[in-house]
Amino acid sequence: EPEVTQTPSHQVTQMGQEVILRCVPISNHLYFYWYRQILGQKVEFLVSFYNNEISEKSEIFDDQFSVERPDGSNFTLKIRSTKLEDSAMYFCASSGASGSGYEQFFGPGTRLTVL
Amino acid sequence: DQQVKQNSPSLSVQEGRISILNCDYTNSMFDYFLWYKKYPAEGPTFLISISSIKDKNEDGRFTVFLNKSAKHLSLHIVPSQPGDSAVYFCAAHSGTYKYIFGTGTRLKVLA
Repeated sequence: EPEVTQTPSHQVTQMGQEVILRCVPISNHLYFYWYRQILGQKVEFLVSFYNNEISEKSEIFDDQFSVERPDGSNFTLKIRSTKLEDSAMYFCASSGASGSGYEQFFGPGTRLTVL
Repeated sequence: DQQVKQNSPSLSVQEGRISILNCDYTNSMFDYFLWYKKYPAEGPTFLISISSIKDKNEDGRFTVFLNKSAKHLSLHIVPSQPGDSAVYFCAAHSGTYKYIFGTGTRLKVLA
């Protein structure tokens, strides 16, 4: 069964450093998403991406964040200058089509720890 | 602004009995709802969904009920099994490209 994969599973970084979180969505999916979950809190939408551009983003997704689909398979989230409060689980998701009726499939997540 | 709420942070149920997880929402424009299950250190796994034009959707042991007038949906699991122990999130479709998640309910099924 196809699945979304994410690397690394755990990333530790110093405050102010740049991190890149990587995702390989399901191969025939068209829509890609990043969510995050701070420990003990709800899953929060960050950004959606379709046709090589951002479709929608939340207020969390400020200028420190960027996404890219550098090739036909990878989908990355970059945080330029990490802050302590960026520590969270980051989940990538993909779906076949947007709108109602198409569930998003999530990867296992990357745990980001900012020291 | 918490548009999707799960007011019970935890629930314990005996194996074989029914588990009922509840979710309330505030935005009447939501048109699609999903339930996800999440184990520790894993991503959310899709369980079941329901369109706002329906009031019930069933898939095996899982049934989701939607009461639009009350802006309330619930997930019924019957019979509950120990392997169902996880955190359950409801999510609502908002706008074209995102889902808004509730805070989650931790279900513990006791053997």
